[in-house]
This record gives sequence, structure tokens and C-alpha cells, in this order.
Amino acid sequence: GAGVSQTPSNKVTEKGKYVELRCDPISGHTALYWYRQSLGQGPEFLIYFQGTGAADDSGLPNDRFFAVRPEGSVSTLKIQRTERGDSAVYLCASSLGSLQDTQYFGPGTRLTVL
Amino acid sequence: RKEVEQDPGPFNVPEGATVAFNCTYSNSASQSFFWYRQDCRKEPKLLMSVYSSGNEDGRFTAQLNRASQYISLLIRDSKLSDSATYLCAVNGAGSYQLTFGKGTKLSVIP
Repeated sequence: GAGVSQTPSNKVTEKGKYVELRCDPISGHTALYWYRQSLGQGPEFLIYFQGTGAADDSGLPNDRFFAVRPEGSVSTLKIQRTERGDSAVYLCASSLGSLQDTQYFGPGTRLTVL
Repeated sequence: RKEVEQDPGPFNVPEGATVAFNCTYSNSASQSFFWYRQDCRKEPKLLMSVYSSGNEDGRFTAQLNRASQYISLLIRDSKLSDSATYLCAVNGAGSYQLTFGKGTKLSVIP
């Protein structure tokens, strides 16, 4: 079946601009996660949704970052007033929703802030 | 101390060799443990979950040592196709978020 999909695959923007990154999870997965991966590092947790609600947003670095999942499926990560330090690969993952369930990752969006 | 630490790489090994990676974690309440494989410019893919009793999948064996707070991954009879970065991941008690190590890069050489 279809895996997690993310769009766009690459995004280049200028410092100060607003960007939206989209994630389409595996059908039937109630849990959705956003991670960020910088070069040479492992993925770093940002936020987790169970259904429509953000169950844990403790990883969001500051209030420029916001994510929504209005219908419990597709999610959008929104970054305002982008900074060069936001450049990274943004990974989305989904799982069936229990604690032990495997998280399946999408291919990521590579964000470059000039 | 970082929450999850891995052996620094890279590991360059010949085909057929056995290679072992270790990963230590600082949160003694951690409950679930995983090894992911990540190819260059690709997403992480689950290689194995790690159970208390240890588990094996073909050439891959994962072990958990709760007393010393580390997990290990053993790869036997290395193949060229095993070349990748191996990430260990941990989630804490009641937490859905995975905490990853930096990863260890493996290169299997002909």
C-alpha cells in the first residue's frame, strides 16, 4: 500500500518568508509525528498528533512553528518568519496509534532558507 | 550527557565481516527501543524493534541491557547492501516521541 507522502520534496525560501510543509499519512494511521533532521544528526522530535489534536508539541523550538491536522489525516507544518537555522529535512511519520506501534517515515521535505 | 548516544563512525568493514554497534540511553524509564536504517538522502526505515529477551532477524541480532542502559545491533556476514547509517531510537515511559542517536555510518567494502 501507499506509504507516508510529503510535499514538496524540496523547498527553497528566503529568510523571513512563511512556508507550509504537507504530510499525508498511511491510511488508517491515527498517530502522526513531525521530526526535523539536520545534517549529521538523528531526527529530532517536533510534535505528535493523535487524531486531530496535538497530544505533544514539546519539541517545537519556538512559536514560529505550528502544525495542524484538522480532519485527522493530512497534516501541515507551518513555519513563520523562516531563519537560516530552520534549514533541515522535515520528516513526517505515522503509526497505528498505540505506544509500541512502528513509526513509518515519509521521504521528507528538504527545506533550505537562504 | 545526551539522551541517546551511539558509537561514533564511520565503520569500514570488508564483505563478510561481523560488525557490532552499541547505543546507550540515559532515561532509565525508557520502554521501547528500535534500530532504524537510513540510506543517504532517504528516510529512516525500521530495521528491528529491540525486546528484552533479544531478537534475531536473519543476519541481524539486537540485544537490550536494561541494567547498563544500552542496546546493541550485530550484523553478521556483512553485505555491500548493508552500507547505510544505523540509528538507534528510544521512547520513554508513556511517551510517543522517539529520541534518536546521531547514527553510525557503516560502509561495507568489497
